Amino acid sequence: GIQVEQSPPDLILQEGANSTLRCNFSDSVNNLQWFHQNPWGQLINLFYIPSGTKQNGRLSATTVATERYSLLYISSSQTTDSGVYFCAVETGANNLFFGTGTRLTVIP
Amino acid sequence: NAGVTQTPKFRVLKTGQSMTLLCAQDMNHEYMYWYRQDPGMGLRLIHYSVGEGTTAKGEVPDGYNVSRLKKQNFLLGLESAAPSQTSVYFCASAGREWAGELFFGEGSRLTVL
Repeated sequence: GIQVEQSPPDLILQEGANSTLRCNFSDSVNNLQWFHQNPWGQLINLFYIPSGTKQNGRLSATTVATERYSLLYISSSQTTDSGVYFCAVETGANNLFFGTGTRLTVIP
Repeated sequence: NAGVTQTPKFRVLKTGQSMTLLCAQDMNHEYMYWYRQDPGMGLRLIHYSVGEGTTAKGEVPDGYNVSRLKKQNFLLGLESAAPSQTSVYFCASAGREWAGELFFGEGSRLTVL
């Protein structure tokens, strides 16, 4: 099956710093989503972004489908941004394949 | 608007016991899914449904059964629980094409002793 790799696996930031999370995938995809899992385990849908760029407040995402990667940008990070960020891709094989996530810790 | 609701939130079982997890969505979504999440890993698909009365196997279906008798509900059953099924279970739904924008429930933490 498709391989979904996220980097870095762990990231510690000072509040106010910016960061870039990366998702590489090994095959063509139909869809791509970014999720945030907060420290209480809840999964929040951040972006549905099979291609192009989207922005939502301090967060933005870019997917370059032809080069098989997606980036999630977090600007002016806040402690509430802490948690695990997952990238998930769909290939048309009746499954959404998740990466293993990037664990972000934002310290005050 | 509650979105996707899972019950129960927590459950402890003994090996061999059975139980059912209920997922309910109020968004009139066609597609519903059950995932499991194990420590340090992403989510893996157990079973899914593309509409009322339909179900299909996902990536890790063994040991689980599902039913979708009503459009808004998707049930996940464990007939004979095993310690390997200790996990956090997430239900999700989508209103568009397969694996379109997914919306998740809050999760159900299951421990099998």
